[in-house]
Amino acid sequence: DQQVKQNSPSLSVQEGRISILNCDYTNSMFDYFLWYKKYPAEGPTFLISISSIKDKNEDGRFTVFLNKSAKHLSLHIVPSQPGDSAVYFCAASAQYFGNEKLTFGTGTRLTIIP
Amino acid sequence: EAGVTQSPTHLIKTRGQQATLRCSPISGHTSVYWYQQALGLGLQFLLWYDEGEERNRGNFPPRFSGRQFPNYSSELNVNALELEDSALYLCASRGPNEQFFGPGTRLTVL
Repeated sequence: DQQVKQNSPSLSVQEGRISILNCDYTNSMFDYFLWYKKYPAEGPTFLISISSIKDKNEDGRFTVFLNKSAKHLSLHIVPSQPGDSAVYFCAASAQYFGNEKLTFGTGTRLTIIP
Repeated sequence: EAGVTQSPTHLIKTRGQQATLRCSPISGHTSVYWYQQALGLGLQFLLWYDEGEERNRGNFPPRFSGRQFPNYSSELNVNALELEDSALYLCASRGPNEQFFGPGTRLTVL
């Protein structure tokens, strides 16, 4: 049972344009969501997070949107740069319930075309 | 500030053997998490240690076990290795808002 889903295994975007990565979840107890970026042969690197009490969080070129009613979140990268090419993982946890383990999606491979 | 470190980088074992993977968290972090990333799959939660105790474990058989030492470093042990245990094993330690990951140990079971 995949509680966090990233339905697009891959995405290609022109440099300078907006990249939008999507993530859906099924567990209503999730209250904290994170995006990680992963390069080959490296561990995931934290990008940005959002608590369920907010619907938007912004950090530089990265913005995460959360739609709780739809159980959907998205990561926007504007403008996209070649160094953004990596695999992006969405993750969720139920921190209020003391369960800090992260449940990850299967990832979306983002390729930025110069 | 040093990040999360893991050793070894690569480990090759044969079926039935045991594997031991090690992790040192970021200084000051007391929680350590272990995840498995098998080929084509996302990261699957394995184990969570905090203050030397196991707090939670994922849906893995008992031959996956570990411990956390007084200095908060951690060890993951996989007994009776099977071919499907071949994966990247990632360790993370928890900061105020997020988990910081190490580079992983690539375990190959032949």
